[in-house]
Amino acid sequence: DIVMTQSPDSLAVSLGERATINCKSSQSLLYSSNNKNYFAWYQQKPGQPPKLLIHWASTRDSGVPDRFTGSGSGTDFTLTISSLQAEDVAVYYCQQYYDHPSTFGQGTRLEIK
Amino acid sequence: EVQVVESGGGLVQPGGSLRLSCAASGFTFSNYWMSWVRQAQGKGLEWVANIKGDGSEKNYVDSVKGRFTISRDNAKNSLYLQMNSLRAEDTAVYYCARAVRDSEYSPFDCWGQGTLVTVSS
Repeated sequence: DIVMTQSPDSLAVSLGERATINCKSSQSLLYSSNNKNYFAWYQQKPGQPPKLLIHWASTRDSGVPDRFTGSGSGTDFTLTISSLQAEDVAVYYCQQYYDHPSTFGQGTRLEIK
Repeated sequence: EVQVVESGGGLVQPGGSLRLSCAASGFTFSNYWMSWVRQAQGKGLEWVANIKGDGSEKNYVDSVKGRFTISRDNAKNSLYLQMNSLRAEDTAVYYCARAVRDSEYSPFDCWGQGTLVTVSS
């Protein structure tokens, strides 16, 4: 199975500041035939299901604010929140859907400093 | 509005069985791969199984193969997960999730609120 490893496990950032979360996969998620990375980011707030933020590594899902940016390719990916808002407090998960079984990172807890 | 709603969770003894259901609305159910994803209390997400729109293809995580069966009834816009030989480690919130695109290799853009399964004596 492909192992997804996020860093850090938790992060505290001041309101209005930048937050950066990393995710590394144990093998490349770049499919050569279409040059797409089979990689996504989710946000999960307490008591709620996960919400898709980013897919194909850098495509925002419908309605996701543009302060959320996904980047990276191959095995290394980053989620950047450009200016942290109070409503961004959540656990963030990365996911690979390149191969079965689809696997998730362990999660990164984002809090306000 | 696109939505999915799970039901059927509860308390079951080890070795017992349970059937989860997921009712879909607001989209053409038969056009989408659907998955079950679980999350143990305070833990991360684990994909469990998925099924093609017409029900012809199914995939499972190794830890549930031979014990869980995913199925669907497109006439009822419903997804199911039959869980047999349940173990304590199956205790989790089970989410029904819709694939973004018509592919088994897809993220999930619509999730239900989940249904809690507790396996304990």
